[in-house]
Amino acid sequence: GDSVTQMEGPVTLSEEAFLTINCTYTATGYPSLFWYVQYPGEGLQLLLKATKADDKGSNKGFEATYRKETTSFHLEKGSVQVSDSAVYFCALSGREYGNKLVFGAGTILRVKS
Amino acid sequence: GAVVSQHPSWVICKSGTSVKIECRSLDFQATTMFWYRQFPKQSLMLMATSNEGSKATYEQGVEKDKFLINHASLTLSTLTVTSAHPEDSSFYICSALRMTGLNTEAFFGQGTRLTVV
Repeated sequence: GDSVTQMEGPVTLSEEAFLTINCTYTATGYPSLFWYVQYPGEGLQLLLKATKADDKGSNKGFEATYRKETTSFHLEKGSVQVSDSAVYFCALSGREYGNKLVFGAGTILRVKS
Repeated sequence: GAVVSQHPSWVICKSGTSVKIECRSLDFQATTMFWYRQFPKQSLMLMATSNEGSKATYEQGVEKDKFLINHASLTLSTLTVTSAHPEDSSFYICSALRMTGLNTEAFFGQGTRLTVV
């Protein structure tokens, strides 16, 4: 079945460091791809998304590009802040999936000042 | 963004009792809502799809008689954990789909921490 694989965490970085969280997917259809963020004690919030190949999603300094050739959607940020500490989930979905989200396992990010 | 409110945010109950969790879309109507379960340090597992005015669709391995879902209005879905046991202790999260034209987006509640003692 369709699935999402994320790099294992936790990822620990110093403030202003460059961030990459890898995400790859397997899908029989043409899903949209998402990154969600979960801050401590809160629900999930959509961080960014891309709906088709070569699309780039971006928000709050985070970026991810939908790469169909490598089935990847890696999350990047040029300079992380302490406030970025959270759990990040990669996911896929779409109408052909009944709009259900298939999540990766999540990656904990810890940013130290 | 749109707001989805989940209540309660945490609950402790005794084994054998039932617990109801509410999920409300506060500023939009949601024909479809989803219920997820999240184990510690693990991802979200989809439990069921809740459709307004019809029976919920449960994922494989989820007991529909144990996890009762009612989606009685376009802004409210409830999950009732019946005869709860310690192994039901978990973090439960709902999401509601907002459909505007061709755009569909899921908004999540803040989650409910259930502890069964």
